[in-house]
Amino acid sequence: QKEVEQNSGPLSVPEGAIASLNCTYSDRGSQSFFWYRQYSGKSPELIMFIYSNGDKEDGRFTAQLNKASQYVSLLIRDSQPSDSATYLCAVEYGNKLVFGAGTILRVKS
Amino acid sequence: SQTIHQWPATLVQPVGSPLSLECTVEGTSNPNLYWYRQAAGRGLQLLFYSVGIGQISSEVPQNLSASRPQDRQFILSSKKLLLSDSGFYLCAWSVGGNGQPQHFGDGTRLSIL
Repeated sequence: QKEVEQNSGPLSVPEGAIASLNCTYSDRGSQSFFWYRQYSGKSPELIMFIYSNGDKEDGRFTAQLNKASQYVSLLIRDSQPSDSATYLCAVEYGNKLVFGAGTILRVKS
Repeated sequence: SQTIHQWPATLVQPVGSPLSLECTVEGTSNPNLYWYRQAAGRGLQLLFYSVGIGQISSEVPQNLSASRPQDRQFILSSKKLLLSDSGFYLCAWSVGGNGQPQHFGDGTRLSIL
């Protein structure tokens, strides 16, 4: 059973703060990791992907991967109220993705 | 650029009625195609995926079926809907091969009465 675990939240942060979202996965063989943002009532939108250990930065977003610990995280700097959404972690298993249940992020202005 | 179309956006159906949801992708060839269901407040459950015309893999036994009659067309069907089939149905595509990001359509919200 391939598992992807996320804290359901909600995670509440003040506007301008750093939001840290975490995800663990069960299969050491996974090579590709994805973060999606899903606004209420909408479909998921890809925001970041990472394949190698370490950090990958894209604007206010940084994805961090530690394959030895089977851990991937997403940092959102200078959080804005528009970042309030559910963030889904997805892990590759061949040509499929397994999604976590998501973490609800609330950014308070 | 690639686009994915999914319709209808909303559907209300009685128990026992048939279902057909369609998804098409433009701007790419031989994509991998996926159908997911998301129950209210829950994660994404992979229902079916396809790596080519006529090739369907089923992930969860249920009363749903999928077909891929053309390269960029993916159809989700049921002969008789159950109350438990309610949910948000999402179609997604990716470039062929392992470890590729998936891109989602706008989804169909299905309510069974």
